[in-house]
Amino acid sequence: IAGITQAPTSQILAAGRRMTLRCTQDMRHNAMYWYRQDLGLGLRLIHYSNTAGTTGKGEVPDGYSVSRANTDDFPLTLASAVPSQTSVYFCASSEASGDTDTQYFGPGTRLTVL
Amino acid sequence: GQNIDQPTEMTATEGAIVQINCTYQTSGFNGLFWYQQHAGEAPTFLSYNVLDGLEEKGRFSSFLSRSKGYSYLLLKELQMKDSASYLCAVKDSNYQLIWGAGTKLIIKP
Repeated sequence: IAGITQAPTSQILAAGRRMTLRCTQDMRHNAMYWYRQDLGLGLRLIHYSNTAGTTGKGEVPDGYSVSRANTDDFPLTLASAVPSQTSVYFCASSEASGDTDTQYFGPGTRLTVL
Repeated sequence: GQNIDQPTEMTATEGAIVQINCTYQTSGFNGLFWYQQHAGEAPTFLSYNVLDGLEEKGRFSSFLSRSKGYSYLLLKELQMKDSASYLCAVKDSNYQLIWGAGTKLIIKP
């Protein structure tokens, strides 16, 4: 079934540890995104990639890094996790990054940093 | 700054009609999206407006007024499965989506 997968589904992590959240899409979409969703706040963009080989910073990039080595995969790395990074993380993709391009979301990763 | 406002929570009765409002102030405008998000799940796309007016899609309709920075989502013949959060998002001048915090819709029998 075409779509976006994320792994892990949930994770509890000790502060200071390194963690990579995985995201894979099989729709051959050019653009991919990472968001975090916190209670009472809208989705906030962490990083994005308009095409393989390029990445950009979103609204809240500090403490996170991404890479886009190919079209399908867009991993998000927390170099040294802190409790404020406790959140639900959603990966999304769209065919391109224009005005009409709809973003489609993966199932999310629930991350708790203690 | 950029801002998307929508009510935090609304309650409606099964079979009725509900209107969820969204007002926005963004740097540029390249379209407005509505998404539905059930608890514990991912957002799913409902509608897209870029021109003023009403877009109808089954029981759901979305309206846009660019001059007023205003949109609404209209849900008709409410069903219990419509209980969810509804997210309003605007594409700004950089083609990035700016999201509202969402409106939690509670449907009562």
